[in-house]
Amino acid sequence: DAKTTQPNSMESNEEEPVHLPCNHSTISGTDYIHWYRQLPSQGPEYVIHGLTSNVNNRMASLAIAEDRKSSTLILHRATLRDAAVYYCIKRNSGYALNFGKGTSLLVTP
Amino acid sequence: DTEVTQTPKHLVMGMTNKKSLKCEQHMGHRAMYWYKQKAKKPPELMFVYSYEKLSINESVPSRFSPECPNSSLLNLHLHALQPEDSALYLCASSQDWRTEKNSPLHFGNGTRLTVT
Repeated sequence: DAKTTQPNSMESNEEEPVHLPCNHSTISGTDYIHWYRQLPSQGPEYVIHGLTSNVNNRMASLAIAEDRKSSTLILHRATLRDAAVYYCIKRNSGYALNFGKGTSLLVTP
Repeated sequence: DTEVTQTPKHLVMGMTNKKSLKCEQHMGHRAMYWYKQKAKKPPELMFVYSYEKLSINESVPSRFSPECPNSSLLNLHLHALQPEDSALYLCASSQDWRTEKNSPLHFGNGTRLTVT
C-alpha cells in the first residue's frame, strides 16, 4: 500500500500563510486524507481530515484536488508554535493510521 | 496537556528486566493503539485494541506483550528487550470505527524507553 509523498522540509515566515502539499496518486474512492502534526517532544496531534470537499476548522484548511490525487494543508497565519512535523495520511475508514515521513515545518520570526 | 496519559515518561531497563508501560484515557474511547517511534522517524503501528480485544498485531516480536484490562487502560509488558528497542512508545485512543468512522486518534506524549 503506497503511502503519501510530502516534501521533507519547508520553511515559512511567521504570520505568513503556509501551504503544505501532499501527493496521494494511488488513493481509492473510500480513502480519507488525514493530517496530523507532531510538535517537538509531544505525541502526534490531529489537525484535519477530508474526503472530496475542501474542509476548514479552527486549526487549518484542507484543499483536495478534484481528482483527489493531491491535497494541500493550509495554515492561514503561521506562528512559531506551528513548527512541527506534519503528516499527510491516507486512511481507509476504520483502519489505524500508518504514518509516512512527513514534512518538517520551520517557522522563522 | 493531553487527554491520554502515559506512565512513566522515561524508563531505563536492562535486557533481562521485565517492565510495563501504562496508558489511560477517560474519553469513553473503545479503540486503543500502541505505536513505536525511533528518533527522526515517523510513528510505526504496533497493536490495535477494539473493545478490549486485540484486533491488529503488526508482527511485533513476542518480547512486547500488550494487555487491555478494561476500556480505559492499555498496558505494554516488556521482557528481554534489546538495545534496538529503545524508542518513544506512544499510546493513542479513538472512537471505535464501527461507531464513528474516521474518528481522530488522540495521542499521549509517550514513554521514552532506553534499553541498556
